[in-house]
Amino acid sequence: GIQVEQSPPDLILQEGANSTLRCNFSDSVNNLQWFHQNPWGQLINLFYIPSGTKQNGRLSATTVATERYSLLYISSSQTTDSGVYFCAPVFSGGYNKLIFGAGTRLAVHP
Amino acid sequence: ETGVTQSPTHLIKTRGQQVTLRCSSQSGHNTVSWYQQALGQGPQFIFQYYREEENGRGNFPPRFSGLQFPNYSSELNVNALELDDSALYLCASSLVQGRKDGYTFGSGTRLTVV
Repeated sequence: GIQVEQSPPDLILQEGANSTLRCNFSDSVNNLQWFHQNPWGQLINLFYIPSGTKQNGRLSATTVATERYSLLYISSSQTTDSGVYFCAPVFSGGYNKLIFGAGTRLAVHP
Repeated sequence: ETGVTQSPTHLIKTRGQQVTLRCSSQSGHNTVSWYQQALGQGPQFIFQYYREEENGRGNFPPRFSGLQFPNYSSELNVNALELDDSALYLCASSLVQGRKDGYTFGSGTRLTVV
């Protein structure tokens, strides 16, 4: 069946450190989004990235659709980066629905 | 440009009751999707509405139903509430079923069933 696997499941960083979050998916995708869920539960859209590389400030993302993975890079992490990061692809051939991974829980300490 | 708004923010209901959650889509968006997020898990797709018609449904029983109105706002109705329905319910809107710029989420409604 369709699967979305995120790694690592948990990550603890000191402020200022860099990190890479990975998302593997089991089938071809039409698009893919990365979200940050804040402590109040809101999902903040970070990137809409079906393929290629995008950057937004300290964050960047790369999706290699042919190899079925996406990466989220966080540089110079800040305490406000804490929360849960979700990868959510839309798989080809199904409804245009996001399929979420289990997320990476990030804690950034001062 | 207004974002996605959901109401109410929190709700407590008794097992067996019925509940209606509401979502106003982002300006210009014609597609609304609903997701259920249990504690510690990723959101699960409930269903999607596109131009007032249901356009895809996840693995949820018929007691979960919805509507989309001409202004593209939407309601999620849950009948015969069960304890396991306690979750964060998220609404997401998009243009053309997410095929352009993806989905934008609201802040969610936290439902507790006691």
